[in-house]
Amino acid sequence: SQKIEQNSEALNIQEGKTATLTCNYTNYSPAYLQWYRQDPGRGPVFLLLIRENEKEKRKERLKVTFDTTLKQSLFHITASQPADSATYLCALEGSSNTGKLIFGQGTTLQVKP
Amino acid sequence: EADIYQTPRYLVIGTGKKITLECSQTMGHDKMYWYQQDPGMELHLIHYSYGVNSTEKGDLSSESTVSRIRTEHFPLTLESARPSHTSQYLCASSEQGAYGYTFGSGTRLTVV
Repeated sequence: SQKIEQNSEALNIQEGKTATLTCNYTNYSPAYLQWYRQDPGRGPVFLLLIRENEKEKRKERLKVTFDTTLKQSLFHITASQPADSATYLCALEGSSNTGKLIFGQGTTLQVKP
Repeated sequence: EADIYQTPRYLVIGTGKKITLECSQTMGHDKMYWYQQDPGMELHLIHYSYGVNSTEKGDLSSESTVSRIRTEHFPLTLESARPSHTSQYLCASSEQGAYGYTFGSGTRLTVV
């Protein structure tokens, strides 16, 4: 069955360092992959979308890579700040051309000052 | 600012009551979705709509129902609430094609 795996253990890093979060998937051939940020008690906020023919996407301090051979995406936050502390969700289209997203469980990032 | 609105933000209700969770968006998006999320867990799709008069059940079985009479409005109804329905309900919308979702702030439902 289709599965998305994100590290369930929280990631703790020092302010100013680069945070790297991993999203692995099985039994998918997604046309694109998305990353969201979710704060406690709030809805997710869309950050980045990367298509299958794109290896890398950047937005300000964020960088996403997408390796369809490894079935993996990496999400990087450079020069991290305490305000970056949140849960980050990876999402894939569940079935081709439906637009229905399947979400991973998310990885919680804690940036310490 | 929020372009998708969910009300109420919090709701505590007794078993057996009928409830409707409201969701409205001002972006003119055709696609709308309802997700259910328990604390620390992933979002599960329970309903979606591709436009007016279009509704489909999602991957997670749910006793709720939805309607889509107007593009901007996608309410979710529970005819008889039970404690097992206690959860956070998140509404989202998106444009056609490969675009990110815009989520509402959610409704935290507690059935006692």
